[in-house]
Amino acid sequence: QKEVEQNSGPLSVPEGAIASLNCTYSDRGSQSFFWYRQYSGKSPELIMFIYSNGDKEDGRFTAQLNKASQYVSLLIRDSQPSDSATYLCAFNGGATNKLIFGTGTLLAVQP
Amino acid sequence: DGGITQSPKYLFRKEGQNVTLSCEQNLNHDAMYWYRQDPGQGLRLIYYSQIVNDFQKGDIAEGYSVSREKKESFPLTVTSAQKNPTAFYLCASSPRGPGSGYEQYFGPGTRLTVT
Repeated sequence: QKEVEQNSGPLSVPEGAIASLNCTYSDRGSQSFFWYRQYSGKSPELIMFIYSNGDKEDGRFTAQLNKASQYVSLLIRDSQPSDSATYLCAFNGGATNKLIFGTGTLLAVQP
Repeated sequence: DGGITQSPKYLFRKEGQNVTLSCEQNLNHDAMYWYRQDPGQGLRLIYYSQIVNDFQKGDIAEGYSVSREKKESFPLTVTSAQKNPTAFYLCASSPRGPGSGYEQYFGPGTRLTVT
């Protein structure tokens, strides 16, 4: 079983719509969860982190965490073409004390 | 400006040669990491260091070596023993060591091509 599951996409949404990106993880001991954005040919950029169950909002981004369901999601409101990128989720592997990364979901925002 | 620098951005080497990738940070972060990213794949951890003069193997350490003589610097050597060295190499740092849950910040990366 993979430690982090993400749909590779591409996820295509029209400009102005809400993009919903999802991630499931296997380690129930995980405490910290992260979303990174990676443009093609560039390095990952941290956009959100969340430690507690519930929602965390930052501008157009909302991270949602449900530890019971081992599920974390990222909502992007009013999607823009500049949001087109691969989004990586990651969690702190409690047993190994390292960040475990998913393979990413490619988001394409259509003008 | 605080940040993480990696050099060079692109690196070309012949098979059989060792090559060292530079990673420097001025964020005063304790922990530093090296990852490798191949097309269509996720990030794979090569080595990490939580403190000066100490480092641990990651998931794919074979064929690589590191040193951590200074807090700011964590160079990675790709040796001739690494069977498939062509990849995008990413260095990251974190305010605390693994286990604290602190986020990692990435440098711009070095794209290594070995022919």
